[in-house]
Amino acid sequence: GAVVSQHPSRVICKSGTSVKIECRSLDFQATTMFWYRQFPKQSLMLMATSNEGSKATYEQGVEKDKFLINHASLTLSTLTVTSAHPEDSSFYICSARVGTGLDNEQFFGPGTRLTVL
Amino acid sequence: GDSVTQMEGPVTLSEEAFLTINCTYTATGYPSLFWYVQYPGEGLQLLLKATKADDKGSNKGFEATYRKETTSFHLEKGSVQVSDSAVYFCALSQRGNNRLAFGKGNQVVVIP
Repeated sequence: GAVVSQHPSRVICKSGTSVKIECRSLDFQATTMFWYRQFPKQSLMLMATSNEGSKATYEQGVEKDKFLINHASLTLSTLTVTSAHPEDSSFYICSARVGTGLDNEQFFGPGTRLTVL
Repeated sequence: GDSVTQMEGPVTLSEEAFLTINCTYTATGYPSLFWYVQYPGEGLQLLLKATKADDKGSNKGFEATYRKETTSFHLEKGSVQVSDSAVYFCALSQRGNNRLAFGKGNQVVVIP
């Protein structure tokens, strides 16, 4: 089946530093990848949608200068949390869509737990 | 905007018991409805889906019926196993729109 990986699975950093999270589609090419954020006992909230080779589309209320998304290839997207602060601590999940059909299934990564001290 | 509501709190039950997880939604038009499952340490996996009213999605013994009159998509399984222990998320998307709206999820713990 379609597998999506994320790295790292957990990261702890100091306030003010930047953290990069990688999302890879291991056995398929993903023209579109999605980044979600999940707070404890809350829903997954879509942060942004990224298409390979173009700028990401951010959801309302998500700071694009804070959460930098790069989708440089059909198998890799990265999310960089810049100048991280404790309120950025959260569970970040990516997903990748197979093919170009808008109703095609999304496959999810296992998530990355970010803790900012 | 579109939203999904799941029942509050974790669900703990014994093996072979009947499982129901409630899900209701608020949306315009005719969204597609989904149940995702997340096993420990893994990513969300699509469990089942339904794309129009009265459709029944089913997989691995789980079922859910798209009820437009009650805007619901409750998940059921007749006899759960320990291996069904996971977090279950209800979600919807509008047709032709790749954005998923998720409920908060329910932790299900099945005790031997």
